[in-house]
Amino acid sequence: DGGITQSPKYLFRKEGQNVTLSCEQNLNHDAMYWYRQDPGQGLRLIYYSQIVNDFQKGDIAEGYSVSREKKESFPLTVTSAQKNPTAFYLCASKGQGLETQYFGPGTRLLVL
Amino acid sequence: GESVGLHLPTLSVQEGDNSIINCAYSNSASDYFIWYKQESGKGPQFIIDIRSNMDKRQGQRVTVLLNKTVKHLSLQIAATQPGDSAVYFCAENMAYSGAGSYQLTFGKGTKLSVIP
Repeated sequence: DGGITQSPKYLFRKEGQNVTLSCEQNLNHDAMYWYRQDPGQGLRLIYYSQIVNDFQKGDIAEGYSVSREKKESFPLTVTSAQKNPTAFYLCASKGQGLETQYFGPGTRLLVL
Repeated sequence: GESVGLHLPTLSVQEGDNSIINCAYSNSASDYFIWYKQESGKGPQFIIDIRSNMDKRQGQRVTVLLNKTVKHLSLQIAATQPGDSAVYFCAENMAYSGAGSYQLTFGKGTKLSVIP
């Protein structure tokens, strides 16, 4: 897991509720990413950020929002508009000029 | 119930044997490849990488082979141990991904089960 932490490990969402997943890194990486992982599928990109105060939509951004106010932090909010939020969410980061992404331990989101 | 695509390809090997996990990548323009290991309930862990100007790269007990002609990548694990049991997936990176960010495309993975 290196210097990337995600919290909480498990998160329960009620109908109509927004929930926020935390991702912090102390690797001094510029780029950060959020992925969703469903059983039997590859990782799908939700949002990414190359630099503070800038972020871009990935392949499945609908129903999610992010912010990047600090280099170390890239929180993901799963909004009530995301109708199928149950999944394993992974945060990753990457150093400038490098290509390898390093992952956090993940957050499993379940719907009550 | 389960939906189509839930079941990953599975490779079962005897402890001590060598394992070979294969990956077909999609883009001939990809120039960098990574193998990750993901244990159950955990985040993916970097194993080894290779650039497109190489055919082979070795690490500790692992070797990655790249065949650009058929767009095929393989991961060889020597003397497989119970701790190697996990899902292994490859990732490819194109030099430029449109928005100026280096993005990875991930395979679905292969589940390796080691029989003691």
